[in-house]
Amino acid sequence: NAGVTQTPKFQVLKTGQSMTLQCAQDMNHNSMYWYRQDPGMGLRLIYYSASEGTTDKGEVPNGYNVSRLNKREFSLRLESAAPSQTSVYFCASSEVVSGNEQFFGPGTRLTVL
Amino acid sequence: QKEVEQDPGPLSVPEGAIVSLNCTYSNSAFQYFMWYRQYSRKGPELLMYTYSSGNKEDGRFTAQVDKSSKYISLFIRDSQPSDSATYLCAMGYSSASKIIFGSGTRLSIRP
Repeated sequence: NAGVTQTPKFQVLKTGQSMTLQCAQDMNHNSMYWYRQDPGMGLRLIYYSASEGTTDKGEVPNGYNVSRLNKREFSLRLESAAPSQTSVYFCASSEVVSGNEQFFGPGTRLTVL
Repeated sequence: QKEVEQDPGPLSVPEGAIVSLNCTYSNSAFQYFMWYRQYSRKGPELLMYTYSSGNKEDGRFTAQVDKSSKYISLFIRDSQPSDSATYLCAMGYSSASKIIFGSGTRLSIRP
């Protein structure tokens, strides 16, 4: 039982490059989330998926797209990376929405030069 | 003004001390309150979860919610070096689909 896994762990991009962050959970959770964490800003929600087939914007969605591929997997795509997207990205999942315990992955450290 | 305010610290205390971590919030609609612990270079993990006002105790940890003052606290008794981490408060509504995190307080327990 791996919980929430994220790939890659680290990534360096040049401005304008694109990439997809992958997330998978094996807890049969319905809801999945993408957050970014910046110093002094805490965790900010980028996008979430309440259930398979649905996605919604969070607090800071600009510059990102998401895909809920199936119940297990939720990916985050940066189409044209910018230095302001340098951050640590966390994926999380929960059984249902509305604040039930969220289980977090180990994070992806992204640097955009 | 942020919805959830949390002193970033760092807070450094000697082993065995009682630690008090706090958050204030502005939205009276929050119904449930959480504390997450995050070790360096790891994802956050849920430590305490409370609904509405009152206290909840779990071992050395006590979570306290005062909705009238819009103030929540986490107390750690007999603090250990292994408690050294960043502690994030988080709050949610009863029917919405997101929770709001504080910015986190970095805690260091000196042996």
